[in-house]
Amino acid sequence: GAGVSQSPSNKVTEKGKDVELRCDPISGHTALYWYRQSLGQGLEFLIYFQGNSAPDKSGLPSDRFSAERTGGSVSTLTIQRTQQEDSAVYLCASSPYSSGSYEQYFGPGTRLTVT
Amino acid sequence: DAKTTQPNSMESNEEEPVHLPCNHSTISGTDYIHWYRQLPSQGPEYVIHGLTSNVNNRMASLAIAEDRKSSTLILHRATLRDAAVYYCILRAGSNYKLTFGKGTLLTVNP
Repeated sequence: GAGVSQSPSNKVTEKGKDVELRCDPISGHTALYWYRQSLGQGLEFLIYFQGNSAPDKSGLPSDRFSAERTGGSVSTLTIQRTQQEDSAVYLCASSPYSSGSYEQYFGPGTRLTVT
Repeated sequence: DAKTTQPNSMESNEEEPVHLPCNHSTISGTDYIHWYRQLPSQGPEYVIHGLTSNVNNRMASLAIAEDRKSSTLILHRATLRDAAVYYCILRAGSNYKLTFGKGTLLTVNP
């Protein structure tokens, strides 16, 4: 079946512009996650959705970052007034449930470059 | 989350078995042992996970020590496509997120 998809695959933007990154999870998966991987860094957790609710936003780096999920499906990560340090690969994952006994399925990521 | 320790890198030859170790001496009773891998320029890919018993799937086997303080991911016949960073992650049953460390970079020689 179809996996997690993300769009765009690459995004180049100028410093100060807003960007929106989209994630389409696997159909029926109630849990959705956003992670970020900066050059030479490990993956860091950003935010988690259970259905349309985000119980944990603690990983968002600043208030310029926000995310929403509608219809228990598609999610959008928005970065306002982008800065060069926002350059990274943004990864989305989904799973049937949020419990630690379930695996997460990752998308291919969106590579964001802020010039 | 409890911490895991993995070698920074390992090398293997194609078509030979590979044993990737992971130490997790502070594991708690509710922690699942997850393994993911990340091929170059791709998102992480789930490999296998277990709680107490050894596990097998089409990709790999997971051998868990009796005291659960260590585990080993076994790739039975390495291929060039298995060259990746392998992450060993502990995740409590109530924990919704994955906390990635630096992982082990596996190089497979032809």
